[in-house]
Amino acid sequence: NAGVTQTPKFRILKIGQSMTLQCTQDMNHNYMYWYRQDPGMGLKLIYYSVGAGITDKGEVPNGYNVSRSTTEDFPLRLELAAPSQTSVYFCASSQTDYGYTFGSGTRLTVV
Amino acid sequence: KQEVTQIPAALSVPEGENLVLNCSFTDSAIYNLQWFRQDPGKGLTSLLLIQSSQREQTSGRLNASLDKSSGRSTLYIAASQPGDSATYLCALETSGSRLTFGEGTQLTVNP
Repeated sequence: NAGVTQTPKFRILKIGQSMTLQCTQDMNHNYMYWYRQDPGMGLKLIYYSVGAGITDKGEVPNGYNVSRSTTEDFPLRLELAAPSQTSVYFCASSQTDYGYTFGSGTRLTVV
Repeated sequence: KQEVTQIPAALSVPEGENLVLNCSFTDSAIYNLQWFRQDPGKGLTSLLLIQSSQREQTSGRLNASLDKSSGRSTLYIAASQPGDSATYLCALETSGSRLTFGEGTQLTVNP
């Protein structure tokens, strides 16, 4: 089973550029999430979705956007990249009482 | 707001030692608790999931317990090995199927 797949694994952006981080899961989970992890820090929730067509903000949503057109896909969009968005981004999915499954992460550097 | 604290922040032990990692939380109204392992530069690997109706879970040399009334969870690792060296993260699922993470315990097991 592929689980949660994130692309790309690494990316360098210039300030002001935009990009989309892709996330796909093949477990038919209803819930999907985007977290960011800064060095030496815990994970912070950016956005989450409880099902196709439904998204909501987490703790740190500013500068990001998401969409959930299908159960499988949950892309994260950065419109105007800033140095403060340099981080490692993790996508995850879950189903009630079955725990969370995380992707391998996208390491983003904004210069 | 749920706050999760993991103690100690770092731990270094000789191979073969039994050890305990601690996780405390402020709001006992949780659904599930999940322990993860994170290797440097890698994603999160799920170790154990304790559902809200359970008090402990075991997998191999790992045992996790949950005491909601006291706001505590412990992860017990028996007969530690160098391959256990990683950061261990405690995460609580609260209402809305959202995970709140502690900042982790960085474990080093010396040969």
